[in-house]
Amino acid sequence: AQTVTQSQPEMSVQEAETVTLSCTYDTSESDYYLFWYKQPPSRQMILVIRQEAYKQQNATENRFSVNFQKAAKSFSLKISDSQLGDAAMYFCAYRVLDSNYQLIWGAGTKLIIKP
Amino acid sequence: EPEVTQTPSHQVTQMGQEVILRCVPISNHLYFYWYRQILGQKVEFLVSFYNNEISEKSEIFDDQFSVERPDGSNFTLKIRSTKLEDSAMYFCASSPQGALDTQYFGPGTRLTVL
Repeated sequence: AQTVTQSQPEMSVQEAETVTLSCTYDTSESDYYLFWYKQPPSRQMILVIRQEAYKQQNATENRFSVNFQKAAKSFSLKISDSQLGDAAMYFCAYRVLDSNYQLIWGAGTKLIIKP
Repeated sequence: EPEVTQTPSHQVTQMGQEVILRCVPISNHLYFYWYRQILGQKVEFLVSFYNNEISEKSEIFDDQFSVERPDGSNFTLKIRSTKLEDSAMYFCASSPQGALDTQYFGPGTRLTVL
């Protein structure tokens, strides 16, 4: 069975500094997608970044980047120059690339930004 | 930028009552999904829908649940006889294609069953 694990229930970082959120997953598949979603207090689920497993290059979106280690089944999210608006729950999610459409989610990491 | 919308934002109902949660997916998207998140727990997949039929459903999606695309824009989740444990945030999502595409989420409907 595919599982996603986020081992950090809560992380805090000083504004303008860098923080890394960890995510590991378990799968026997070779083709899949990985995602980081952000859920601010408004509870809306917002896509932050996605990574295709077949791509060796780590995805980057502005201040957000991932460290994708396929062999280790690790998918961490780095947030550079943290801003107050980054405060949210961050969820790592996985989807296998076949007819299985569902996203499988981690438990989430609450990110606190200290001013 | 197009968004997935959901109504209502909060629904309160009595146990045993039927509820319908509504979603308007992004207009050119073909795949639609419902997820739920019980407070403090992981997001759980309920169902995916394509071409006017269910393409995949989880164990949670039992006979009490149904989905429908009644017209060209709405996508609904019906819970026939709500239970206390149905209290959760329900998220609708849509994607242009299926497995190859990112799912875009709506803001959610908070369902409270009393």
